[in-house]
Order: sequence, then structure tokens, then C-alpha cells
Amino acid sequence: DGGITQSPKYLFRKEGQNVTLSCEQNLNHDAMYWYRQDPGQGLRLIYYSQIVNDFQKGDIAEGYSVSREKKESFPLTVTSAQKNPTAFYLCASSLLTGATNEKLFFGSGTQLSVL
Amino acid sequence: GENVEQHPSTLSVQEGDSAVIKCTYSDSASNYFPWYKQELGKRPQLIIDIRSNVGEKKDQRIAVTLNKTAKHFSLHITETQPEDSAVYFCAASTGAGSYQLTFGKGTKLSVIP
Repeated sequence: DGGITQSPKYLFRKEGQNVTLSCEQNLNHDAMYWYRQDPGQGLRLIYYSQIVNDFQKGDIAEGYSVSREKKESFPLTVTSAQKNPTAFYLCASSLLTGATNEKLFFGSGTQLSVL
Repeated sequence: GENVEQHPSTLSVQEGDSAVIKCTYSDSASNYFPWYKQELGKRPQLIIDIRSNVGEKKDQRIAVTLNKTAKHFSLHITETQPEDSAVYFCAASTGAGSYQLTFGKGTKLSVIP
């Protein structure tokens, strides 16, 4: 059960604080993604990256920032501008080419809560 | 953009019965339809997918059907077992690349022994 690792498993944020969620993959995937999961809301795309040093906003990018300095790593920062950050955050990766290029491989998630 | 509706939101079946989850999509250009299963406390995993040039696909007890005219697709699980209990998500994509996936809100399936 490896391949894509998220840490920490649980994270608490104080008012006005920025927090960073880690995501690392050793699958040699080009593309990486961050999703937010709220109860009864499915998976909503925050940011994605197809190549190092490049990333694009998803459907709910406001209040979040990312970086992609290495192919293996795609950290997500939840900024103080995100007023409702409590959620389960899932990182995923995929190939960009090939027969299975649309299959997402997910990490085990980080539960973020506000203190 | 694409909109995916998923029904029902919860589903309870007796062990051994069949379960059906339905999704509709809005963009007729969508051509890829995966289903993900998320067991309690675990990561979502792809269980089956179908492309728009195929009407049905089976994998053991799981099957997916696609009706392009009506813009809906369904997941069928036969001979359900307790380990099938999970949240199931459908999704639709209009092009190459998982970043174009739009997910449904999920169906919590409970299989009662």
C-alpha cells in the first residue's frame, strides 16, 4: 500500500494560520492533484500539476496555494484566506500518457480541522 | 462545465442481493466514465471504468453500463458481500487527463449480512 504518501494524517489549524499538507509519490507520475472531500459533496479539485514548476487552478482554488519544485512532491498550503478549511484532503497522481493515463492513484488523506 | 448527478446517496441491500447506482452527466462531449470505491478510512480506488465507444463492461461481480443518448451510466454489483460496503463515486471526463474529471457526490452502500 505505497506509491503516494500524505502527511500528516491529522492536522489542526489555528485562526489566521497557514498550514501545509505534504504529498509525495514514487510512481514516476507526471501529474499530481489535490482534492477536497466534504461529507456528501464528493471530490472537488483544488489544484493540479502536469509538470514540474507548473500548476493550474481547479474548481475551488481560492484560499489554497501549491508548488511543484520536484516531480515527486506536490505540497498544498491552506492559507488563512480559506475560511472553511475543515475537510478531508486527498492527493492523487496519474500518468499523462498511455492506456491508463486517466487512472488516479490516491494517497490516504489528511483530515484538517480548525481549533 | 460538466455536472454529474449521482443517486441514491445511500443504499442498503441484503447480502447476496444486487445493488445499482446511477449517474447522469450534462456534457455530451464526456467520453470517459470511471467508478471509484472508498472503504471507510481508506483511499479511493478505481474499480471499473468505461469509455464512450462501449455500452457495457463487466469485471466479475461488477458491471457498468452507459447510455450516451440519455447521458447516464450505472454501476451494477451482483451477489453483494459485506466487503462491498463502501462509498462509491462516479465521474465523467470530457477529454484526456484526469484533471478533467468531475465527480458525483457519492453513494454509501451498506450490505447487511
